[in-house]
Amino acid sequence: AQTVTQSQPEMSVQEAETVTLSCTYDTSESNYYLFWYKQPPSRQMILVIRQEAYKQQNATENRFSVNFQKAAKSFSLKISDSQLGDTAMYFCAFMMNSGGSNYKLTFGKGTLLTVNP
Amino acid sequence: DAGVIQSPRHEVTEMGQEVTLRCKPISGHNSLFWYRQTMMRGLELLIYFNNNVPIDDSGMPEDRFSAKMPNASFSTLKIQPSEPRDSAVYFCASTPYGGVSYEQYFGPGTRLTVT
Repeated sequence: AQTVTQSQPEMSVQEAETVTLSCTYDTSESNYYLFWYKQPPSRQMILVIRQEAYKQQNATENRFSVNFQKAAKSFSLKISDSQLGDTAMYFCAFMMNSGGSNYKLTFGKGTLLTVNP
Repeated sequence: DAGVIQSPRHEVTEMGQEVTLRCKPISGHNSLFWYRQTMMRGLELLIYFNNNVPIDDSGMPEDRFSAKMPNASFSTLKIQPSEPRDSAVYFCASTPYGGVSYEQYFGPGTRLTVT
């Protein structure tokens, strides 16, 4: 079974600064997807960024980027120019690529990020 | 375009009562997921459906929990009888079967409190 570990229960950052959230995972599969989801106080789960394991290039979405280290099974999220609206719980998640028949997501326990003014 | 719709948003019930949570996935999405979120256990997948057929229910905690998807636009998660340890936020999510993005679109969740 796959496991996802987020070792930082809480983090804080000053507005406009950069912060990196850590995630490691354990799997014997070679083909899979990794995600970061954001859950603000509204409780809504929002996809932040996605990475396909077969792609060597790190995914980027505006101020959000990842550092995907497949051999180390590491998938960290970097948030640049942090904004107050980035305050949220961030979840790392894993999905096997089983040919389009299994979309089961395994989530980490989450990191609570607070952006301070 | 409407997102995933869940009802009710909040539910307070007494131990032993039956609880039914409802979900309407995004139109055209063929896969539907039920998750439970608690402080202790985080986000756990309970069950998911592809084309209205249950594929994996290994996360369903016990026989008190049941889920159905009678058609492509509606699913229920039922707890009977409910217990205080069932208190949690229950999320429904959907995704297009065979979609290339694999993004799951989550509903707003139902906060269940069992007293």
